Formats: sequence, C-alpha cells, structure tokens
Amino acid sequence: NAGVTQTPKFRILKIGQSMTLQCTQDMNHNYMYWYRQDPGMGLKLIYYSVGAGITDKGEVPNGYNVSRSTTEDFPLRLELAAPSQTSVYFCASSSSGREKLFFGSGTQLSVL
Amino acid sequence: QQQVKQSPQSLIVQKGGIPIINCAYENTAFDYFPWYQQFPGKGPALLIAIRPDVSEKKEGRFTISFNKSAKQFSLHIMDSQPGDSATYFCAASKGGSEKLVFGKGTKLTVNP
Repeated sequence: NAGVTQTPKFRILKIGQSMTLQCTQDMNHNYMYWYRQDPGMGLKLIYYSVGAGITDKGEVPNGYNVSRSTTEDFPLRLELAAPSQTSVYFCASSSSGREKLFFGSGTQLSVL
Repeated sequence: QQQVKQSPQSLIVQKGGIPIINCAYENTAFDYFPWYQQFPGKGPALLIAIRPDVSEKKEGRFTISFNKSAKQFSLHIMDSQPGDSATYFCAASKGGSEKLVFGKGTKLTVNP
C-alpha cells in the first residue's frame, strides 16, 4: 500500500497563476481532507469530503476549490495564486472520519 | 478564535527526561482528543488519543492525562529519546463531527 500520495512535492508559482495539487489514496477511505500548515500556526482545514461527490468547506476555504469524483482522488485547485497561499499543504484520509487520519508527505508551495 | 491552545511552542530536554506538552480547550462538546507526531519533511501521524470518560491513557512511553473539569489534556513522554525529536500537535473534535481542530504545535528536541 502506498497510502496517501501527494504530487508535486514542491512548486513555485507566480502571483495569479493557477495549479492543482493532486492527492490520491489506495486505502478505500471515504473521508479525505486538505490542510495547510504555516510555521507556528498548526494545521488549518481547507476542505474535506465524506465520500465521492460530497465536499464541504473547512476553516480557510477562500481561494481554493476541490472536487471528489472518485473515492481515491481529492484534488485541490488554486485559481489565482496569492502570496498568502504560500504554505505546506497536506492531504489526509480516514476510514472513520475524525479518528486516525493518514497524511501524505505534503506539497511545499511558494507564491512569488 | 483559537479552539485548542497548546503550550509550550518549543521544548528542549535531555535524553531520559520527561517532556510534558499541554493543551486547553473551551468547547465542552469536544469528545475526542488525539495527539499527532510530525517528523521534518513528513506528514503528521497519529500517536495516541483519549476520550473524556478516562483520565489517563498509556501507549508505550507516551501517556495522555485528561482533566475534564479543567478542560485540559497533556502528553507526557517517559524516558525520552533523541528519536522522539519532532513536532507534536494536539487536536480535538466534537461528537458527530468528521473534523479535527489542531493546536499550533510544539517542537520537541531531545538532546543526547
């Protein structure tokens, strides 16, 4: 099992550019999450999904969009990148919601 | 509004010491309290979790102490080792919710 796989690992964007952060899991988990981690600020929930076709906003959804067309994939879309979106992004999945989240290794994004 | 307050921000101990990390919460609807461990360049991983019906839970060298009346919980690491050097996050969740709220994290360094 690969677990939760995130691509790319690193990316530099220019202000106003768009990109999609990819996340896929092979554990057949229904629950998937996107978090951002800023230094000294912990993990903030951006969006989450409780199953294919169902998504909902977290604490900090502005500037992001998600889709969940399959159980395995949960991509995060940045439409107009801003410097405030410079962060490390983590995707996570779980079979039981809040209990035992499995995290990917992260995508480090810089917007310059 | 920070729902889970974690302290200290950083902590340095000698090998064999017992670091203690504290978290406090306000929302009495929280009923699940996990701790996650994160090594540099990796995603967080579940370490140990507790529910309010018990005051203490041990798993190996890691212990959670829970004080429901004070709305506080803490992580103790017995006989700490250099390999325990990592960032530790407490979190909390309400019953019926699929979401976790994380503290800001504590960077632990265990010197040889």
